[in-house]
Amino acid sequence: DQQVKQNSPSLSVQEGRISILNCDYTNSMFDYFLWYKKYPAEGPTFLISISSIKDKNEDGRFTVFLNKSAKHLSLHIVPSQPGDSAVYFCAARPVSGGYQKVTFGTGTKLQVIP
Amino acid sequence: ETGVTQTPRHLVMGMTNKKSLKCEQHLGHNAMYWYKQSAKKPLELMFVYNFKEQTENNSVPSRFSPECPNSSHLFLHLHTLQPEDSALYLCASSQAQTLADEQFFGPGTRLTVL
Repeated sequence: DQQVKQNSPSLSVQEGRISILNCDYTNSMFDYFLWYKKYPAEGPTFLISISSIKDKNEDGRFTVFLNKSAKHLSLHIVPSQPGDSAVYFCAARPVSGGYQKVTFGTGTKLQVIP
Repeated sequence: ETGVTQTPRHLVMGMTNKKSLKCEQHLGHNAMYWYKQSAKKPLELMFVYNFKEQTENNSVPSRFSPECPNSSHLFLHLHTLQPEDSALYLCASSQAQTLADEQFFGPGTRLTVL
């Protein structure tokens, strides 16, 4: 039973446009969420995070939105660049009672077309 | 060396072999992790070490034996593995007991069990 779901395995976007990657979760105990980016032959690298006390967190071209009632979060990349082409993993964890137990989604492969 | 390094990057072994995976972090962190990523599955947390002590074993079979001699090094000893253990094994580290606690990943070891 996957507790963190990324239902789109892949996404193609034109350079300069917005990329929107979606993530759903089922565990109500999750209250801290992270996005990681992974290039081939490299490990995942942390991108951006959001605590459940917020509904938005922005860092440059990257913005994460959290809708707690819908148990849904999304990552927006504006404008998209070819260097953003990678696999993006959504991850979640409970802040209390096991905050190091991060649960990952299966990833969405983003391709930004020049 | 910077960040988190893993050796070897690729490993092919028979079911009766004994081998070890090595991870080293150069970030001054005090928590280390082993993850497994099988094809089309999310990253699965295997073990967590805090200050050299194992604090999480996510129901991992005993044919995987971790060792953490100090906060900078983490090993995964492998023996009598099965073909279904073929996967990418990722090591990560973090500064534990901080709210953010983002994990920094190594590039992984691609393991093939014949």
